[in-house]
Amino acid sequence: AQRVTQPEKLLSVFKGAPVELKCNYSYSGSPELFWYVQYSRQRLQLLLRHISRESIKGFTADLNKGETSFHLKKPFAQEEDSAMYYCALDGSGNTGKLIFGQGTTLQVKP
Amino acid sequence: DAGITQSPRHKVTETGTPVTLRCHQTENHRYMYWYRQDPGHGLRLIHYSYGVKDTDKGEVSDGYSVSRSKTEDFLLTLESATSSQTSVYFCAIRDGQGNTEAFFGQGTRLTVV
Repeated sequence: AQRVTQPEKLLSVFKGAPVELKCNYSYSGSPELFWYVQYSRQRLQLLLRHISRESIKGFTADLNKGETSFHLKKPFAQEEDSAMYYCALDGSGNTGKLIFGQGTTLQVKP
Repeated sequence: DAGITQSPRHKVTETGTPVTLRCHQTENHRYMYWYRQDPGHGLRLIHYSYGVKDTDKGEVSDGYSVSRSKTEDFLLTLESATSSQTSVYFCAIRDGQGNTEAFFGQGTRLTVV
């Protein structure tokens, strides 16, 4: 079965500290993986997708097929990074149906 | 922002009443989706559409129906609302031309009392 697990409901760090938001997935084929972010009172927006391998707002994520993980990392957290982060999997071919993890709230303290 | 709007943004309704939520897009995207967002569950797919009059069920479709009579509109109907359907509902759209990014609406907060 396809599944995405984000083990941390809340991650609290101080400004300038490194951040790692964990995401593990279960999928038998070659998945497309994404990180979406939801800032307070705003809509979900795409942060990263593994296929593009780009860095957005200082965040990076590497797909590790051996560990079935797609952890989101940032070396120095900023207060404006405080938000809800969702890892998502698209294993549906071209229908675009996304399977989301439970979400992790990142709180960056001053 | 992608041209996607949801209405209403907030609604309180009584148990047993029908409710319809609307998603409207101006992007001419082929795929449209309805998700619900609940604490501890993230977002879960309710129904989706891959074209006019073409819809299919998602993970949590019981108690919901959808219709898509025009490319730009995707309606979600709760035939007889229950308290378990209290949630935040998000519509999303996606271009079927190889771009896999989904664009989300601002959400509808529905409370069933």
